[in-house]
Amino acid sequence: GAVVSQHPSWVICKSGTSVKIECRSLDFQATTMFWYRQFPKQSLMLMATSNEGSKATYEQGVEKDKFLINHASLTLSTLTVTSAHPEDSSFYICSAQTGNQPQHFGDGTRLSIL
Amino acid sequence: QQQVKQSPQSLIVQKGGISIINCAYENTAFDYFPWYQQFPGKGPALLIAIRPDVSEKKEGRFTISFNKSAKQFSLHIMDSQPGDSATYFCAASGGDYKLSFGAGTTVTVRA
Repeated sequence: GAVVSQHPSWVICKSGTSVKIECRSLDFQATTMFWYRQFPKQSLMLMATSNEGSKATYEQGVEKDKFLINHASLTLSTLTVTSAHPEDSSFYICSAQTGNQPQHFGDGTRLSIL
Repeated sequence: QQQVKQSPQSLIVQKGGISIINCAYENTAFDYFPWYQQFPGKGPALLIAIRPDVSEKKEGRFTISFNKSAKQFSLHIMDSQPGDSATYFCAASGGDYKLSFGAGTTVTVRA
């Protein structure tokens, strides 16, 4: 149980385009979803926290207009990287949680901006 | 500023040996301490977690030791296997459930 699915797993796009990443909790309802970014050989850095039906809360230094988060239902959150540039290339990982239960992570999305 | 400090950065252990990874934290509001295992190109998977009301928790070959007064906790991997070769992250969170991760330890198990 507690499966979190992310889509796509890998995306390559041109600089200046926008990219949407989906995060779904497949077998449970997620009251909270988290978005992380991970650069090669580094740790996970929390970008934002989203609760269903509410605006996302962004961590310090994360541009909310660049990384748009929507948490429209208890099983789906999306992260849109707007006007992506090469420095946005990274591994983006979501996690989902219900109540005070452990966070369960998706398998990540590798984003490459050319 | 990293809220959870993890060491070592990497370690190599022989098959059947014990891997030990240490973490330290400063924020006394932290009340949940999980360990995650991550393979290349994959998301982290929860291995084992502990809360401050116990000093040790064991699940199979994985044991967490927790020292509340020293604000330190560690992961012991007993009888290490080649399949355990991965990056391990400690983490901590408080009432807001936001996880602060350590820097990670790359474990290599030699057959």
